[in-house]
Amino acid sequence: DSGVTQTPKHLITATGQRVTLRCSPRSGDLSVYWYQQSLDQGLQFLIQYYNGEERAKGNILERFSAQQFPDLHSELNLSSLELGDSALYFCASSPGISDQPQHFGDGTRLSIL
Amino acid sequence: GENVGLHLPTLSVQEGDNSIINCAYSNSASDYFIWYKQESGKGPQFIIDIRSNMDKRQGQRVTVLLNKTVKHLSLQIAATQPGDSAVYFCAENPYSSASKIIFGSGTRLSIRP
Repeated sequence: DSGVTQTPKHLITATGQRVTLRCSPRSGDLSVYWYQQSLDQGLQFLIQYYNGEERAKGNILERFSAQQFPDLHSELNLSSLELGDSALYFCASSPGISDQPQHFGDGTRLSIL
Repeated sequence: GENVGLHLPTLSVQEGDNSIINCAYSNSASDYFIWYKQESGKGPQFIIDIRSNMDKRQGQRVTVLLNKTVKHLSLQIAATQPGDSAVYFCAENPYSSASKIIFGSGTRLSIRP
């Protein structure tokens, strides 16, 4: 058990809809990272938050956004969903801004019908 | 499970033998490397890491070797067990002051009884 909790485990929705994925980092970790794992792209870094502030951005679409709350949990919002957004979405956490390694949750499987 | 359909290199090893998983990284400026193990239905799990000022690092049953000259990383697993069956990812951190990591495409390790 990594200590990183993601909910829900599975999400099924339709094109055009909006969903919110939730992540609780390990106790004491201030950084939260979001990744997308799809069949044809592998694990892709989306975005990092540190102590409530956006820290680094990767290949995140404009339709996607994230935030980190004062209690350090984070949410990833995906809107105007397309079939190609079907993927596993992972959250990871680490203690500081650039600490390694990152510890991953078990992901949310998003299926777009 | 995850990565079904993703074309991954596969390594098949007899139970009890040693496994060697290889990875070529892309950025000569990368100074930190990590190996992750991903089992079906789980998120990536940290195995071992190594910094660029080292050539070798050992853990419990695992050894990571780094060859910076040819930008090559390997993971050796001693006395491979059925529980080692998983997809293994190498990852590199090309930005020493940031925490963005780039994952390789992964290798599927299967164990023959």
